[in-house]
Amino acid sequence: DVLMTQTPVSLPVSLGGQVSISCRSSQSLVHSDGNTYLHWYLQKPGQSPQLLIYRVSNRFSGVPDRFSGSGSGTDFTLKISRVEPEDLGVYYCLQSTHFPTWTFGGGTKLELK
Amino acid sequence: QVTLKESGPGILQPSHTLSLTCSFSGFSLSTYGMGVSWIRQPSGKGLEWLASIWWNGNTYNNPSLKSRLTVSKDTSNNQAFLKVTSVDTADTATYYCAHTRLKLGFDYWGQGVMVTVSS
Repeated sequence: DVLMTQTPVSLPVSLGGQVSISCRSSQSLVHSDGNTYLHWYLQKPGQSPQLLIYRVSNRFSGVPDRFSGSGSGTDFTLKISRVEPEDLGVYYCLQSTHFPTWTFGGGTKLELK
Repeated sequence: QVTLKESGPGILQPSHTLSLTCSFSGFSLSTYGMGVSWIRQPSGKGLEWLASIWWNGNTYNNPSLKSRLTVSKDTSNNQAFLKVTSVDTADTATYYCAHTRLKLGFDYWGQGVMVTVSS
C-alpha cells in the first residue's frame, strides 16, 4: 500500500505571508504513462474539499495563481503565497498513480498565528 | 455545470446495512472516462477513499473495506449508490460522492451527508 505523509500537521501563518506544505509518498508516484498523479485539495471549515492542483502543478479552474505545486517522484510541495483569509482550512494531498487505489495524506491545517 | 448531492438515512443501528445515493447532473456516467467515487470523513479527522464506479461499469473498493462495500449506478437516472454492510460505530462519518476523472482526480464534490451509527 502507498502511504502519503504530510508535514506539518499544523501550520500557523500571517495574512499576506507565504507557506509550504510537504507531501511524501512511500512509493514513486510516476505512472507508467509518464505522468505523476498527485493532487492537492483544500477543505475550508464546514465545506466539502475542493480541488486546487492536479497532476503536481496544474491549477484547477478558478484557482488563483497564489497556489503552486511542485515536486517529483516521492516528494511534493504545495506553496501558497500572499495568504488570504479564504485560504485557511485543511490541505490534503491525494495520489491516484497506483490506480485503482486512491490514497490521501493526513492533512495540514493552515491557521492564523 | 457539474453538481452532486448525497442522500442517506442519517442514523442507523449497528450491524445494519448503510445505503447511500449520489444524485448528479452536468455529466453522464456512460461517457468515457467519467466516474463517481465515495469518500468519507469521521468528524474532525481526515479523508478516506472508499470506492469508485466508472463509465464502463468497473468498480473498485478500498482494500481495507473491500468485502463490505458495493457500488452501483443507474445511468439513465444519473445516480450512483454505495452500500456498506455490517456497520458499526467506526462507520460514523460524513460521506461524500465526487465526480472522478482518471487524470484529474476528484474534481467536483457533493455537500456530504452525515451518517451516525448508534444503537
